Amino acid sequence: NAGVTQTPKFRILKIGQSMTLQCTQDMNHNYMYWYRQDPGMGLKLIYYSVGAGITDKGEVPNGYNVSRSTTEDFPLRLELAAPSQTSVYFCASSYSQVLMNTEAFFGQGTRLTVV
Amino acid sequence: GESVGLHLPTLSVQEGDNSIINCAYSNSASDYFIWYKQESGKGPQFIIDIRSNMDKRQGQRVTVLLNKTVKHLSLQIAATQPGDSAVYFCAETNQGGKLIFGQGTELSVKP
Repeated sequence: NAGVTQTPKFRILKIGQSMTLQCTQDMNHNYMYWYRQDPGMGLKLIYYSVGAGITDKGEVPNGYNVSRSTTEDFPLRLELAAPSQTSVYFCASSYSQVLMNTEAFFGQGTRLTVV
Repeated sequence: GESVGLHLPTLSVQEGDNSIINCAYSNSASDYFIWYKQESGKGPQFIIDIRSNMDKRQGQRVTVLLNKTVKHLSLQIAATQPGDSAVYFCAETNQGGKLIFGQGTELSVKP
């Protein structure tokens, strides 16, 4: 089973470049999330979506954009990359709000370096 | 809640001892709490969860305790093994749908 798939796994960007981090899930989950994790730190919620066509800001949305045109895909866009966006990015999904018997599944992460 | 800029606290235990990892949460409206384990280079993995109307929940070798009065969560791991070495995060969720992570703790198990 594929679960949550993130691409690319690694990327080096120059300051000011743009890129899209891809996330797709094959579990028919309604909820999807993007997190960033700086070295030695915890996960911070960037954006989340409770269904196709619906997105909401998390704790650290500045510098990022998302879209959710399909249930399966939740791409994260960086328009003008900055060194402060150097981080590991994790995508996650869950069938509904994370509760008892509703688990969130995480991808393997995208390691992004902005130089 | 998590303090921006602080690195993860660490806990070092001897193999076979019990481990206790603590977490403070900030939102009194949160109705569900989860502990995740994150091994190096991987995404977080679910360990155990607890609803806000519970004080304690037990799994296999793990127990989660919830104290809503002081907004504190703890994870107890019995007979800690080298394979338990990882970073452990608590997370909380509420009606809004957000899944928010707290500060993690890096557990190191000495053989």
